[in-house]
Amino acid sequence: ETGVTQTPRHLVMGMTNKKSLKCEQHLGHNAMYWYKQSAKKPLELMFVYSLEERVENNSVPSRFSPECPNSSHLFLHLHTLQPEDSALYLCASSQEGQGSNSPLHFGNGTRLTVT
Amino acid sequence: GQQLNQSPQSMFIQEGEDVSMNCTSSSIFNTWLWYKQEPGEGPVLLIALYKAGELTSNGRLTAQFGITRKDSFLNISASIPSDVGIYFCAGQLWYGGSQGNLIFGKGTKLSVKP
Repeated sequence: ETGVTQTPRHLVMGMTNKKSLKCEQHLGHNAMYWYKQSAKKPLELMFVYSLEERVENNSVPSRFSPECPNSSHLFLHLHTLQPEDSALYLCASSQEGQGSNSPLHFGNGTRLTVT
Repeated sequence: GQQLNQSPQSMFIQEGEDVSMNCTSSSIFNTWLWYKQEPGEGPVLLIALYKAGELTSNGRLTAQFGITRKDSFLNISASIPSDVGIYFCAGQLWYGGSQGNLIFGKGTKLSVKP
C-alpha cells in the first residue's frame, strides 16, 4: 500500500462545479506537493508546502487553491476549471532537512476530466 | 528555465534485451533520481544518485550520475514484461543549503514484447 493516498482516483466535473482533491501521507514527512501531469509534458510543480507553510506557487491560476491543514493532509480546491485543466494530479511528500532531503514519494493521482 | 532532455521517448524491445536511457541538462545538478510509472499509478522511485560519478544498482537496474553533473543514464538488463512503464529522470540542485525544485524529464515509454 502506498504511503501517499489520494482521493478520488477519478473525477469528472463541469466548468462551473466546485470540487476538492484530497491527499494524505502516512510517512511522517514534513513537506507535501501538488504536481500536474499532462500527456507528453514533464511533471509540472504546482504547489509546495513545507511545515504546513506554502513555499512555492508556480504561477498557478487562482482557480486552483491549495490547503494544508497539517503535515499529513493536503487539499486542492477546484472551481471554474477549464477543459485544458484535465490531467492527472499527483500529490507527493518528502522529508526536508538541513543538508539532506528524501526523494519524493508520490500518490497514485486523481485523473481529472473537465467537461 | 532548467530543462531535462530525456531520450529515447519510447522503446519497443524483446524480452531479455538490455535497455538504456539517458537524461541530459544544460545545468548541473546535485541529485539525480529515476522513477517508474505504471498505468493508473503514480511514479515510484527506482534509484537515487547524490554524487558525481556514482554508479548504483537496484536489482537489474543500474544508474549513473554523470561526472559533469549534467547527465545520468539508466540501464535495465535482461528485460521482462513487468518492466513496461514510463521511466522518468529528475534532477535537483541545492542552492547554498536550500533545496531547488525537482526538474523532470518527459519520460521514456518502455514496451516489452514477450
